[in-house]
Amino acid sequence: QKEVEQDPGPLSVPEGAIVSLNCTYSNSAFQYFMWYRQYSRKGPELLMYTYSSGNKEDGRFTAQVDKSSKYISLFIRDSQPSDSATYLCAMMDSNYQLIWGAGTKLIIKP
Amino acid sequence: ETGVTQSPTHLIKTRGQQVTLRCSSQSGHNTVSWYQQALGQGPQFIFQYYREEENGRGNFPPRFSGLQFPNYSSELNVNALELDDSALYLCASSPPGLAGTGELFFGEGSRLTVL
Repeated sequence: QKEVEQDPGPLSVPEGAIVSLNCTYSNSAFQYFMWYRQYSRKGPELLMYTYSSGNKEDGRFTAQVDKSSKYISLFIRDSQPSDSATYLCAMMDSNYQLIWGAGTKLIIKP
Repeated sequence: ETGVTQSPTHLIKTRGQQVTLRCSSQSGHNTVSWYQQALGQGPQFIFQYYREEENGRGNFPPRFSGLQFPNYSSELNVNALELDDSALYLCASSPPGLAGTGELFFGEGSRLTVL
Protein backbone atom coordinates (compact mmCIF):
# COMPACT_ATOMS: atom_id res chain seq x y z
CA GLN A 1 0.00 0.00 0.00
CA LYS A 2 1.30 3.41 -0.96
CA GLU A 3 1.66 6.04 1.76
CA VAL A 4 -0.40 8.49 -0.29
CA GLU A 5 -3.25 7.38 -2.53
CA GLN A 6 -4.73 9.57 -5.24
CA ASP A 7 -7.17 8.65 -8.00
CA PRO A 8 -5.37 9.23 -11.34
CA GLY A 9 -8.56 10.14 -13.20
CA PRO A 10 -9.01 11.61 -15.68
CA LEU A 11 -11.77 13.69 -14.14
CA SER A 12 -13.76 15.56 -16.77
CA VAL A 13 -16.24 18.29 -15.77
CA PRO A 14 -18.00 21.16 -17.58
CA GLU A 15 -16.78 24.72 -17.23
CA GLY A 16 -18.21 26.43 -14.15
CA ALA A 17 -18.60 23.23 -12.14
CA ILE A 18 -17.22 22.73 -8.63
CA VAL A 19 -14.34 20.27 -8.67
CA SER A 20 -13.38 18.06 -5.75
CA LEU A 21 -9.95 16.39 -5.71
CA ASN A 22 -8.91 14.07 -2.90
CA CYS A 23 -6.03 12.15 -1.36
CA THR A 24 -5.87 9.63 1.44
CA TYR A 25 -2.77 8.79 3.44
CA SER A 26 -1.62 6.27 5.99
CA ASN A 27 1.11 8.07 7.98
CA SER A 28 -0.41 9.91 10.95
CA ALA A 29 2.87 11.84 11.42
CA PHE A 30 2.27 14.00 8.33
CA GLN A 31 1.85 17.64 9.41
CA TYR A 32 2.30 19.71 6.24
CA PHE A 33 -0.05 19.17 3.31
CA MET A 34 0.29 20.68 -0.12
CA TRP A 35 -1.47 20.77 -3.46
CA TYR A 36 0.58 21.32 -6.57
CA ARG A 37 -0.67 21.88 -10.12
CA GLN A 38 1.32 20.54 -13.06
CA TYR A 39 0.63 21.51 -16.64
CA SER A 40 1.80 19.20 -19.40
CA ARG A 41 5.57 19.35 -19.93
CA LYS A 42 6.03 21.73 -16.98
CA GLY A 43 7.24 21.43 -13.41
CA PRO A 44 4.75 21.38 -10.51
CA GLU A 45 3.56 24.72 -9.15
CA LEU A 46 2.51 25.18 -5.51
CA LEU A 47 -1.20 26.00 -5.23
CA MET A 48 -2.13 25.55 -1.59
CA TYR A 49 -0.28 24.80 1.60
CA THR A 50 -1.88 23.76 4.90
CA TYR A 51 -0.42 22.97 8.28
CA SER A 52 -2.29 20.35 10.35
CA SER A 53 -6.11 20.10 10.17
CA GLY A 54 -8.53 22.70 8.94
CA ASN A 55 -9.52 24.68 5.88
CA LYS A 56 -7.68 27.26 3.83
CA GLU A 57 -9.16 29.38 1.08
CA ASP A 58 -7.40 31.28 -1.71
CA GLY A 59 -9.63 32.74 -4.37
CA ARG A 60 -11.45 29.91 -6.15
CA PHE A 61 -9.42 27.26 -4.32
CA THR A 62 -10.15 25.70 -0.92
CA ALA A 63 -7.95 23.10 0.74
CA GLN A 64 -9.28 20.89 3.53
CA VAL A 65 -7.35 18.58 5.84
CA ASP A 66 -9.06 15.99 8.06
CA LYS A 67 -6.30 14.34 10.05
CA SER A 68 -8.70 12.09 11.96
CA SER A 69 -9.74 10.48 8.65
CA LYS A 70 -6.31 10.90 7.00
CA TYR A 71 -8.02 12.61 4.10
CA ILE A 72 -7.29 15.86 2.27
CA SER A 73 -9.28 17.66 -0.39
CA LEU A 74 -8.92 20.47 -2.87
CA PHE A 75 -12.04 22.23 -4.11
CA ILE A 76 -12.08 24.45 -7.20
CA ARG A 77 -15.09 26.72 -7.65
CA ASP A 78 -16.21 28.16 -11.00
CA SER A 79 -13.78 25.88 -12.84
CA GLN A 80 -12.16 27.27 -15.99
CA PRO A 81 -10.60 25.51 -19.01
CA SER A 82 -7.26 26.96 -17.82
CA ASP A 83 -7.61 24.81 -14.68
CA SER A 84 -7.11 21.71 -16.84
CA ALA A 85 -3.92 20.13 -15.49
CA THR A 86 -2.69 17.35 -13.23
CA TYR A 87 -3.17 18.05 -9.53
CA LEU A 88 -0.70 16.45 -7.14
CA CYS A 89 -1.08 16.22 -3.39
CA ALA A 90 2.09 16.10 -1.30
CA MET A 91 2.81 15.64 2.39
CA MET A 92 5.91 16.09 4.49
CA ASP A 93 7.18 13.23 6.61
CA SER A 94 9.24 13.41 9.81
CA ASN A 95 12.48 13.41 7.76
CA TYR A 96 11.33 16.56 5.94
CA GLN A 97 10.85 14.59 2.73
CA LEU A 98 7.83 15.19 0.52
CA ILE A 99 5.70 12.14 -0.21
CA TRP A 100 3.57 12.64 -3.31
CA GLY A 101 0.37 11.23 -4.71
CA ALA A 102 0.39 10.03 -8.32
CA GLY A 103 -1.70 13.02 -9.44
CA THR A 104 -5.24 13.42 -10.76
CA LYS A 105 -5.64 14.60 -14.34
CA LEU A 106 -8.42 17.22 -14.51
CA ILE A 107 -10.13 18.23 -17.75
CA ILE A 108 -12.48 21.24 -17.80
CA LYS A 109 -14.69 21.17 -20.89
CA PRO A 110 -15.68 24.59 -22.34
CA GLU B 1 13.03 37.58 -10.57
CA THR B 2 14.50 34.56 -12.38
CA GLY B 3 12.90 31.24 -11.52
CA VAL B 4 14.49 27.82 -11.36
CA THR B 5 16.17 26.90 -14.62
CA GLN B 6 17.27 23.45 -15.71
CA SER B 7 19.41 22.14 -18.55
CA PRO B 8 19.27 20.32 -20.80
CA THR B 9 15.51 20.14 -21.37
CA HIS B 10 15.69 16.84 -23.26
CA LEU B 11 18.37 14.26 -23.74
CA ILE B 12 18.75 10.70 -24.95
CA LYS B 13 21.36 8.31 -23.58
CA THR B 14 22.07 4.62 -23.92
CA ARG B 15 22.17 2.08 -21.15
CA GLY B 16 25.44 2.16 -19.18
CA GLN B 17 26.25 5.79 -20.00
CA GLN B 18 26.52 8.62 -17.52
CA VAL B 19 24.53 11.86 -17.44
CA THR B 20 24.84 15.24 -15.71
CA LEU B 21 21.83 17.48 -15.25
CA ARG B 22 22.13 21.09 -14.13
CA CYS B 23 19.96 23.44 -12.11
CA SER B 24 20.12 27.12 -11.23
CA SER B 25 18.06 27.90 -8.17
CA GLN B 26 15.74 30.85 -7.85
CA SER B 27 17.44 34.02 -6.65
CA GLY B 28 17.89 33.99 -2.86
CA HIS B 29 17.05 30.29 -2.49
CA ASN B 30 19.74 28.31 -0.68
CA THR B 31 18.21 24.81 -0.64
CA VAL B 32 17.97 22.64 -3.73
CA SER B 33 16.28 19.27 -4.06
CA TRP B 34 16.01 16.83 -6.94
CA TYR B 35 13.07 14.64 -7.87
CA GLN B 36 12.47 11.88 -10.41
CA GLN B 37 9.04 11.76 -12.01
CA ALA B 38 8.16 8.73 -14.09
CA LEU B 39 5.32 9.04 -16.60
CA GLY B 40 1.95 9.09 -14.86
CA GLN B 41 3.50 9.13 -11.38
CA GLY B 42 4.16 11.70 -8.71
CA PRO B 43 7.72 12.95 -8.13
CA GLN B 44 10.06 10.76 -6.07
CA PHE B 45 12.55 12.51 -3.79
CA ILE B 46 16.18 11.83 -4.74
CA PHE B 47 18.14 14.15 -2.43
CA GLN B 48 18.41 17.66 -1.05
CA TYR B 49 21.38 20.02 -0.75
CA TYR B 50 21.87 22.85 1.71
CA ARG B 51 25.09 24.85 2.03
CA GLU B 52 26.81 22.52 -0.44
CA GLU B 53 26.10 19.42 1.67
CA GLU B 54 23.60 16.64 1.09
CA ASN B 55 21.14 16.79 4.00
CA GLY B 56 18.50 14.29 2.98
CA ARG B 57 18.24 11.39 0.56
CA GLY B 58 15.42 9.25 -0.75
CA ASN B 59 15.52 5.60 -1.71
CA PHE B 60 17.91 5.90 -4.66
CA PRO B 61 21.16 3.94 -5.19
CA PRO B 62 24.61 5.56 -4.87
CA ARG B 63 24.94 5.87 -8.65
CA PHE B 64 22.69 8.92 -8.20
CA SER B 65 24.93 11.67 -6.85
CA GLY B 66 24.88 15.42 -6.71
CA LEU B 67 26.67 18.64 -5.97
CA GLN B 68 25.71 22.09 -4.84
CA PHE B 69 27.95 25.05 -5.64
CA PRO B 70 28.62 28.23 -3.62
CA ASN B 71 26.11 30.13 -5.80
CA TYR B 72 23.50 27.48 -4.81
CA SER B 73 23.29 25.99 -8.29
CA SER B 74 23.34 22.20 -8.40
CA GLU B 75 24.10 19.15 -10.50
CA LEU B 76 22.58 15.69 -10.56
CA ASN B 77 24.82 12.91 -11.85
CA VAL B 78 23.60 9.45 -12.74
CA ASN B 79 26.12 6.72 -13.55
CA ALA B 80 25.56 3.38 -15.27
CA LEU B 81 22.20 4.41 -16.70
CA GLU B 82 19.42 1.85 -16.71
CA LEU B 83 16.25 1.78 -18.82
CA ASP B 84 14.16 2.54 -15.70
CA ASP B 85 16.04 5.81 -15.25
CA SER B 86 13.99 7.24 -18.12
CA ALA B 87 11.95 10.00 -16.47
CA LEU B 88 11.49 13.72 -15.96
CA TYR B 89 14.09 15.00 -13.51
CA LEU B 90 12.89 17.99 -11.55
CA CYS B 91 14.94 20.46 -9.58
CA ALA B 92 13.27 22.53 -6.87
CA SER B 93 14.60 25.33 -4.70
CA SER B 94 13.42 26.77 -1.39
CA PRO B 95 14.10 30.11 0.27
CA PRO B 96 15.78 30.26 3.68
CA GLY B 97 13.47 28.98 6.42
CA LEU B 98 10.93 27.30 4.17
CA ALA B 99 12.78 24.14 3.09
CA GLY B 100 11.20 22.25 5.99
CA THR B 101 7.64 23.16 5.03
CA GLY B 102 7.47 21.65 1.56
CA GLU B 103 7.04 24.96 -0.24
CA LEU B 104 9.10 24.25 -3.32
CA PHE B 105 9.67 26.16 -6.52
CA PHE B 106 10.23 23.82 -9.44
CA GLY B 107 11.98 24.14 -12.74
CA GLU B 108 10.48 22.71 -15.91
CA GLY B 109 12.58 19.59 -15.70
CA SER B 110 15.01 17.61 -17.81
CA ARG B 111 13.44 14.73 -19.70
CA LEU B 112 15.86 11.82 -19.90
CA THR B 113 15.31 8.89 -22.22
CA VAL B 114 17.54 5.83 -21.82
CA LEU B 115 17.64 3.45 -24.78
